[in-house]
Amino acid sequence: DAMVIQNPRYQVTQFGKPVTLSCSQTLNHNVMYWYQQKSSQAPKLLFHYYDKDFNNEADTPDNFQSRRPNTSFCFLDIRSPGLGDAAMYLCATSRDVSATGTGYTFGSGTRLTVV
Amino acid sequence: EDQVTQSPEALRLQEGESSSLNCSYTVSGLRGLFWYRQDPGKGPEFLFTLYSAGEEKEKERLKATLTKKESFLHITAPKPEDSATYLCAVQAAGGYNKLIFGAGTRLAVHP
Repeated sequence: DAMVIQNPRYQVTQFGKPVTLSCSQTLNHNVMYWYQQKSSQAPKLLFHYYDKDFNNEADTPDNFQSRRPNTSFCFLDIRSPGLGDAAMYLCATSRDVSATGTGYTFGSGTRLTVV
Repeated sequence: EDQVTQSPEALRLQEGESSSLNCSYTVSGLRGLFWYRQDPGKGPEFLFTLYSAGEEKEKERLKATLTKKESFLHITAPKPEDSATYLCAVQAAGGYNKLIFGAGTRLAVHP
């Protein structure tokens, strides 16, 4: 089945130690998104890629970076994780930026713990 | 500023006890309103898209409706397996059409 896969499901990292989260998709969608979701809060968009074009949200901290080496993969890099960065990180895809129809397809998320 | 507010934050129902979840929104031109279901520790799963006031969509025990200011997710005769967090999101027309989410309603259905 076509899907969005995130690895790992759970990630524990040390305060200040760089960490990378991975997302892959078999849907051949043009757009990939990264959302941050803290407990009982709304998912918050960090950035998205439309094909190779990177689009950062205005309030996304510089500590968060992303790479998309090809259509299928997208990575979220946290350069110096703080305790406040502990959250569920959700990867999503859509065929284009209009996201009509079924909206986005989400992966199962990576739960990040910072110790 | 585009905004989505969901109520209640949490809802506890007995099996078979019907109820409704609310999603109020302010957006500069609505392209679409989306309902998702999210189980603990998992990503959101798509349920419905609504595009214009008066539109309704149904799936099993769930029915979503839309007005110009809010959407309701009606749950008829819920079962314990309906327990989840239900997220509402809006997409504004014009420019880059990102999804703006509400914080969700945590639904618990008890036998």
